[in-house]
Amino acid sequence: GENVEQHPSTLSVQEGDSAVIKCTYSDSASNYFPWYKQELGKGPQLIIDIRSNVGEKKDQRIAVTLNKTAKHFSLHITETQPEDSAVYFCAASISGGYSTLTFGKGTMLLVSP
Amino acid sequence: EAQVTQNPRYLITVTGKKLTVTCSQNMNHEYMSWYRQDPGLGLRQIYYSMNVEVTDKGDVPEGYKVSRKEKRNFPLILESPSPNQTSLYFCASSFRGSGSFDEQFFGPGTRLTVL
Repeated sequence: GENVEQHPSTLSVQEGDSAVIKCTYSDSASNYFPWYKQELGKGPQLIIDIRSNVGEKKDQRIAVTLNKTAKHFSLHITETQPEDSAVYFCAASISGGYSTLTFGKGTMLLVSP
Repeated sequence: EAQVTQNPRYLITVTGKKLTVTCSQNMNHEYMSWYRQDPGLGLRQIYYSMNVEVTDKGDVPEGYKVSRKEKRNFPLILESPSPNQTSLYFCASSFRGSGSFDEQFFGPGTRLTVL
């Protein structure tokens, strides 16, 4: 089955800095890669996703890049703010059927004012 | 408001005492799933359901049961809870299943402690 590795497990940055979280996946058939943000005491919430026919996707201060050859994808957050502090999860799945999402272990991002 | 609800939000119980965690969604989603979240292990899928009366095991199904008699409800049953089932549990749903690029909506979580 699919295996998703996520790094780093914790990331501390100063407000205004950029943050990058990296994930690798094992199954070359995976073609859907969402990122979820989990705030304290809440369930994860989708913030951005990318499909394998796209190399990069951007939404305001967040962007995701995908390298299919190397089987890795990354989340980039620019101009970080204290409210970006949360746990971020990457995930991978195979579309076209009813495959399930395989999640990485999560990254705790701390943005200091 | 479109949402996934779980009850109870917090539960402390003892080993062997059967319990049920309820999950309900009001978005007419076909796909529902249960995850457990443990420190350092991320989110691991317990069971999922493609539609009414269709369920399947996830990565960590041992010690759990589910049922899907109605589209909106997907209860998680622990027939004989053990301390290693102490965890934070999340229910999630999506319209057509995770393989169809559809966003999964998560409930607020249920923190279970088994003594």
